[in-house]
Amino acid sequence: GAGVSQSPRYKVAKRGQDVALRCDPISGHVSLFWYQQALGQGPEFLTYFQNEAQLDKSGLPSDRFFAERPEGSVSTLKIQRTQQEDSAVYLCASSLRGSSTDTQYFGPGTRLTVL
Amino acid sequence: GDSVTQMEGPVTLSEEAFLTINCTYTATGYPSLFWYVQYPGEGLQLLLKATKADDKGSNKGFEATYRKETTSFHLEKGSVQVSDSAVYFCALTSSNFGNEKLTFGTGTRLTIIP
Repeated sequence: GAGVSQSPRYKVAKRGQDVALRCDPISGHVSLFWYQQALGQGPEFLTYFQNEAQLDKSGLPSDRFFAERPEGSVSTLKIQRTQQEDSAVYLCASSLRGSSTDTQYFGPGTRLTVL
Repeated sequence: GDSVTQMEGPVTLSEEAFLTINCTYTATGYPSLFWYVQYPGEGLQLLLKATKADDKGSNKGFEATYRKETTSFHLEKGSVQVSDSAVYFCALTSSNFGNEKLTFGTGTRLTIIP
């Protein structure tokens, strides 16, 4: 079956522009996660949804970052007024039930470059 | 808070060599432990996992045992192949309800030479 998909795969933005990154999770998966991966580092948690409810947004680095999942399936991560330090790969993952023992399935990521 | 410490890389081995990548963790309660792998040009994928103490996860010839007494989850393979060249990430999820996020180590780049 289809895995997690993300679009766009690559995004170049000028400093100060707003960007929107999309994630399509595996159909039927309750939980959805966003992570940020800087070059040469492990992914770092940004935010977590269970269905349409955003249960944890403690990892969002600033109020310029906003995520939503209005119908409990597709999610969008929005970054306003992008800065150079926002350059990273943004990963989306989904899991079936949201249990701590569940496997999270990752999408290919969106590589954001802010000039 | 939760944290994962991984063996520093990069690691270069000859084909058929024995592999160990060390991973230790700090967490409250009883976390679940994971190894994820990122092959060149591909996304992160689960390699193996263990959800309680003394469990052994295994896949594709790789193994790791959840050792609560040493807070470790070292990855091992008896005979590596060129196709195992990738970046390996150790990770955990907390056992606390409502906190199912993955906490990752920094990754270990493995290169296998023929």
